[in-house]
Amino acid sequence: EAGVVQSPRYKIIEKKQPVAFWCNPISGHNTLYWYRQNLGQGPELLIRYENEEAVDDSQLPKDRFSAERLKGVDSTLKIQPAELGDSAVYLCASSPQTLFEQFFGPGTRLTVL
Amino acid sequence: SQQGEEDPQALSIQEGENATMNCSYKTSINNLQWYRQNSGRGLVHLILIRSNEREKHSGRLRVTLDTSKKSSSLLITASRAADTASYFCATGIYGGSQGNLIFGKGTKLSVKP
Repeated sequence: EAGVVQSPRYKIIEKKQPVAFWCNPISGHNTLYWYRQNLGQGPELLIRYENEEAVDDSQLPKDRFSAERLKGVDSTLKIQPAELGDSAVYLCASSPQTLFEQFFGPGTRLTVL
Repeated sequence: SQQGEEDPQALSIQEGENATMNCSYKTSINNLQWYRQNSGRGLVHLILIRSNEREKHSGRLRVTLDTSKKSSSLLITASRAADTASYFCATGIYGGSQGNLIFGKGTKLSVKP
């Protein structure tokens, strides 16, 4: 069984530039999560999808972050424009159902210069 | 916001010794999960314990949950160098963030050969 796929693995951009991350969850998993993980910290939820519906985006900085999950499968997280403080690892995870175990992708390490 | 707090923040032991990590949380939970993260990688689910369970085993892992003290512990027996990683507890809660896992800051475990 293929795991959660994320791309790119690494991204370096100048501040004020846009950036996008892509996630393909495990087949059949209805719930998809985007997390941000700062160095030495645990993951912090940005947004949770149930199928194609964003059921919790309360922690997503909506002035510069946006996300979509077309057809309830793949998802894209975008930052526009990026700021220095956005440097972090962005993790995608999927789960068969809410509160079940989550399966994480390898993450995208973003560096904003 | 941080729900779980792991203790200690860092732990260094010799191969063959047991490692114990603790997690305390603040609000009522549905379940508590432990994850491992190797350096530069995504998180891997280790074990899930429900709020009505007190102890659970999986291989060399033993997890306990004390809901009256709002605390959990993860014991790794006969540790190996490959167990070197960061370990996170995550609480699954209902309420304002239904269906979300809230992660602690993690315990960094180093197992020396």
